[in-house]
Amino acid sequence: KAGVTQTPRYLIKTRGQQVTLSCSPISGHRSVSWYQQTPGQGLQFLFEYFSETQRNKGNFPGRFSGRQFSNSRSEMNVSTLELGDSALYLCASSLSPTNAYEQYFGPGTRLTVT
Amino acid sequence: AQSVAQPEDQVNVAEGNPLTVKCTYSVSGNPYLFWYVQYPNRGLQFLLKYITGDNLVKGSYGFEAEFNKSQTSFHLKKPSALVSDSALYFCALTNAGKSTFGDGTTLTVKP
Repeated sequence: KAGVTQTPRYLIKTRGQQVTLSCSPISGHRSVSWYQQTPGQGLQFLFEYFSETQRNKGNFPGRFSGRQFSNSRSEMNVSTLELGDSALYLCASSLSPTNAYEQYFGPGTRLTVT
Repeated sequence: AQSVAQPEDQVNVAEGNPLTVKCTYSVSGNPYLFWYVQYPNRGLQFLLKYITGDNLVKGSYGFEAEFNKSQTSFHLKKPSALVSDSALYFCALTNAGKSTFGDGTTLTVKP
């Protein structure tokens, strides 16, 4: 099976712009979660989607949003970019959103905000 | 609120020696605990999980972890370390659909 894919892999944006990141889960996986990884803050949970519905959200401002499509693919959007948004954004998929399922991570999108 | 702590930023061991990477957690209710590994320039990979049952869980690459409810710990172990085990290790807790990760522990195995 193909793994989780994320596009683009690298992105450079300027402050104030917006960005959309894409994630394709493993075939058959219906739950998609997004994380922000930075050296100082570690892995921070952004949100989780299942059946096109956001089930959980982390402690991020409203500038961070996402959605999931009927084929389970997901997008994440960040508006009005700030320098502090520079990070590795990871997408993870799992069979189901129940607590017991492990997550499979994509390679990430490295976002640099200048 | 739930939390995960990995008290050691760095663990150094010699090849062939046993290794332990520590993890403690705090949660209301039953914990679902995971270990993931991140190799340089590669994504996080699932190693093992504890859901219920036997407190000793076996996972990929010869790793195992021991769940201790009284000490609220889930330490990762391997009897004999390999140089190729050098990587960043994350402990994670999932509850009510939210995943919380520890800050990670860098394991360095020297030949």
